[in-house]
Amino acid sequence: QVQLQESGPGLVKPSETLSLTCTVSGGSISGYYWSWIRQSPGKGLEWIGHIYYSGSTSYNPSLKSRVTISLDWSMNQFSLKLGSVSAADTAVYFCARPSVRPGFSSGCYDHWGKGTLVTVSS
Amino acid sequence: DIQLTQSPSTLSASVGDRVTITCWASQGVSSWLAWYQQKPGKAPKLLIYKASTLESGVPSRFSGGGSGTEFTLTISSLQPDDFATYYCQQYDSFWDTFGPGTKLEMK
Repeated sequence: QVQLQESGPGLVKPSETLSLTCTVSGGSISGYYWSWIRQSPGKGLEWIGHIYYSGSTSYNPSLKSRVTISLDWSMNQFSLKLGSVSAADTAVYFCARPSVRPGFSSGCYDHWGKGTLVTVSS
Repeated sequence: DIQLTQSPSTLSASVGDRVTITCWASQGVSSWLAWYQQKPGKAPKLLIYKASTLESGVPSRFSGGGSGTEFTLTISSLQPDDFATYYCQQYDSFWDTFGPGTKLEMK
């Protein structure tokens, strides 16, 4: 059974870069899309973006200028970087694996990490 | 982007009740809609996908229906473990979006 686990700093200063890693265990990252989703009281659940095992990425247009998602095959991990953060980026960040629609990159999420709270504050 | 709304935002019910939550999409999403259950401090759990297909391991008291712009999640007989927040999610468009949630609380 595939398991996902987020890791990274729980506190980030305004204007700095938020960096999180998701470690995938019980299966390979090969053949799948891998996503980041966040949840804040103000904006609810929000898709941040995803990466395909080939390395191709898609991002939420509202965050695209600040987001980078990358893969580390050797560690079976994928990572999120969100730059120029502000208090509005305070949220619980989840990594997840979607079960995608045939021929598309969007899907529903049947595998989730437990989530990690990131607070943006000086 | 496709906006989702849910009704009601809060639902008070008792064990054994039949409850229905509705999700509306701002434009048609065919049947590309999922439902999740989330408990405090936990990740969302997939219940139903493709509008009406029950995820493996999910009790049969959960059912989903609808297509296009209006969808429902029904719990036929509420159990104590069902008190949680429920979200719909559309995955018809380039990027998926989630509804604001319905909190199901004990009456």
